[in-house]
Amino acid sequence: ETGVTQTPRHLVMGMTNKKSLKCEQHLGHNAMYWYKQSAKKPLELMFVYSLEERVENNSVPSRFSPECPNSSHLFLHLHTLQPEDSALYLCASSQGGTGAYGYTFGSGTRLTVV
Amino acid sequence: QKEVEQNSGPLSVPEGAIASLNCTYSDRGSQSFFWYRQYSGKSPELIMFIYSNGDKEDGRFTAQLNKASQYVSLLIRDSQPSDSATYLCAVGTGANNLFFGTGTRLTVIP
Repeated sequence: ETGVTQTPRHLVMGMTNKKSLKCEQHLGHNAMYWYKQSAKKPLELMFVYSLEERVENNSVPSRFSPECPNSSHLFLHLHTLQPEDSALYLCASSQGGTGAYGYTFGSGTRLTVV
Repeated sequence: QKEVEQNSGPLSVPEGAIASLNCTYSDRGSQSFFWYRQYSGKSPELIMFIYSNGDKEDGRFTAQLNKASQYVSLLIRDSQPSDSATYLCAVGTGANNLFFGTGTRLTVIP
């Protein structure tokens, strides 16, 4: 495996379900991110982990809960979502948390909340 | 709120022409500038980055940065149909974030 891998690629869930998105990076990077991409809107930063410590939570509702057990893995736990949470969720990693070298994105999880 | 503005397009150019994509940003303290290409249904892919005023060339791509005017552009020479995608401008301010524009959709017509 190379780069940043995300699973699952597609997810359909009901508003009362609990699910988790998984991200794994094989680049030796020390910072990982969750972004939300909705149609006609800029990529929205959700969470940043640098050296396994959460350094930013960009006013994300508590129904989204991140977890970073080590520098290579990142999870996004979902529960009691709303239809407006349907979007493409992108994981990214970088060397250093300042974004100075750009990010490498995973292929994303297309989430549909019904 | 730091803003990154792009013309959403669509921008259509004939095959072999030069495509010019523009981006402006609001934070004068911005330090790093990136162009990502995103094909439909795929994730963004980094294609160029620039840190200093002036031009930076990589193959058919040239990034141009003017910090005084707060704009960054991407030129694609000899455009190919495979260049048809959405191009995202991203700006880094040294904090734990990149700020993205909404993207410009480019269509290269064979």
